[in-house]
Amino acid sequence: SQTIHQWPATLVQPVGSPLSLECTVEGTSNPNLYWYRQAAGRGLQLLFYSVGIGQISSEVPQNLSASRPQDRQFILSSKKLLLSDSGFYLCAWTTTGTEDEKLFFGSGTQLSVL
Amino acid sequence: QKEVEQDPGPLSVPEGAIVSLNCTYSNSAFQYFMWYRQYSRKGPELLMYTYSSGNKEDGRFTAQVDKSSKYISLFIRDSQPSDSATYLCAMSDPYSSASKIIFGSGTRLSIRP
Repeated sequence: SQTIHQWPATLVQPVGSPLSLECTVEGTSNPNLYWYRQAAGRGLQLLFYSVGIGQISSEVPQNLSASRPQDRQFILSSKKLLLSDSGFYLCAWTTTGTEDEKLFFGSGTQLSVL
Repeated sequence: QKEVEQDPGPLSVPEGAIVSLNCTYSNSAFQYFMWYRQYSRKGPELLMYTYSSGNKEDGRFTAQVDKSSKYISLFIRDSQPSDSATYLCAMSDPYSSASKIIFGSGTRLSIRP
């Protein structure tokens, strides 16, 4: 069966520090991968998605970047964190080549920038 | 106008009540409709998944889609305190790009023992 791993679960970082969040998917190949951010009491904002290795699409301009160095690995990064980067970050995946897009989420990372 | 509208709540009901959660949408191209349950500080969990119009039942949960009215619902029968969570509706157009799963903002549900 397919599983998605996301870490760390909680992260407290000072303003101006770098960020690296990692996500890996097991049990499937060539998934579509996504990074979402969820602000407190608000909906999900799609940040990045990737349909293959090295292929990244950005949905909103921001202080963050994403990379996909391997088929089942997706990384969210920042060189210098801002206060506004605080939030709950979620990695997700869907299968490719099918019409029905069932989106499965990781457990999330609560990022606090102080 | 947002593509998907969802009442944020909070909604508080007594244990055992029937809960109705709803979303409206504007894009008639949506064909896949989903409900996610999200507990505090956890990732959303896919609860129900339906294609096009009609009803789908899974245990105490029933998902209903009315494409003519652009309206979807999730019913929870015999609600339990463990159902207390935020419920997110989501929908997609299968012929659009990989990014087009659109979420509602979520409804916070609290079941009182």
